[in-house]
Formats: sequence, C-alpha cells, structure tokens
Amino acid sequence: AQKITQTQPGMFVQEKEAVTLDCTYDTSDPSYGLFWYKQPSSGEMIFLIYQGSYDQQNATEGRYSLNFQKARKSANLVISASQLGDSAMYFCAMRLDFQKLVFGTGTRLLVSP
Amino acid sequence: NAGVTQTPKFRILKIGQSMTLQCTQDMNHNYMYWYRQDPGMGLKLIYYSVGAGITDKGEVPNGYNVSRSTTEDFPLRLELAAPSQTSVYFCASSREGGGETQYFGPGTRLLVL
Repeated sequence: AQKITQTQPGMFVQEKEAVTLDCTYDTSDPSYGLFWYKQPSSGEMIFLIYQGSYDQQNATEGRYSLNFQKARKSANLVISASQLGDSAMYFCAMRLDFQKLVFGTGTRLLVSP
Repeated sequence: NAGVTQTPKFRILKIGQSMTLQCTQDMNHNYMYWYRQDPGMGLKLIYYSVGAGITDKGEVPNGYNVSRSTTEDFPLRLELAAPSQTSVYFCASSREGGGETQYFGPGTRLLVL
C-alpha cells in the first residue's frame, strides 16, 4: 500500500539555521511524485516543492530543497536560513493515479529568534 | 483568478442534520478532490472527480456524497451529520499531468454537536 511516514511530530530551530524535515514513502509504482506543503496557523495549504521519481536532480525552490534518495525511499525537505515565518506544519505527500495525494501526518516546525 | 473557493468558511451542525459544502474553481481543471483534515493529522481523500459526470471514492468516503455536473463545481454532501465528521474540509483541483500540484481552497471548518 502507498504510504507516507513523517516521524518527527515537532522540530525546533533557531532563526537563520538550516533544518531538515524527514519523509519516507512506500510504493511499488515506478512512477510517482513527491510534494511538500506548508500549512501555517491560518490553515491554508501552500505548495512548496515537487520531485518526480524520474528526476535526476534534487528539486530546489529558493530556500527549499528536497533531498531525494530513491534507494532509501526518502524525500527530506531542507529549509536553509530559517525565518520566523517558517513556523508552521509541514506535510509530505505522494501522488497516486489521477493526481490523488496521500499525506503524512505532518511535522510542526517552530523557529525561534 | 479566484482559484479554488469554498463556502461556508465555518459551520456548526447538529447531529443528524444535512448540509452541502460548496467548491468552485475557475482554472478549468478537470481533476477535483475533497479532503478532510482531523486535528493534528494529515489530509485524507474523501472523493475525487476526473471530469464532469465522473466521480470516485477516496480513502474515507462513508457518510458523504458528491456530484460533478460542471467542470467548475464539485459540491460535497453530508446527509446525516455525526460527531466523527467534525473536521476541516479542503477542496482542491489539478490539471492532468505528472508534476502538477494541486491547488487548495481555504477550507471549511465543520463542527458537529
């Protein structure tokens, strides 16, 4: 069964430091996509970054990068130079057929001054 | 473009009441989805649609119904509200294609008492 696992319920980082949020996935489908979303306290879902299973390079979007290790089935999100506004819930998700998404349980990130 | 809009933003229902959550997108996306998010959890797929007139069940469809008479609208119906349906409901839409993210609405917070 396709599944996403996020083992860190909460993470704490100081401003300007880098932080890695873990995500492992399970699928037998050779074609899949992995997403990270941010959910601030206001509740909306904000798309951050996408990695396709056939992409040769790790995805990057500004301060966000995705450390994709296919053999280990991991897709960790790295946030460089954390900012106070990065405090939020972060969800890893995997794309199934018809673009459906299966989500992990999330990691709450708290950035302190 | 408004993107994905949802109404209402918040609703309190009594056990056994019915209601329809509205979702509209103006991006001409064929794919639309309904998710629920329970407190402290990730999103779970309720129903999805790949085009007008075509709908299918997701992971947690019990207690819900959907219809898709137009490309733009994808309403979610709760027939006999139960406390277990207290949740935040997100509607999303997507284009077809591998790397396309889903665009989420702002969510509807539902409380069943």
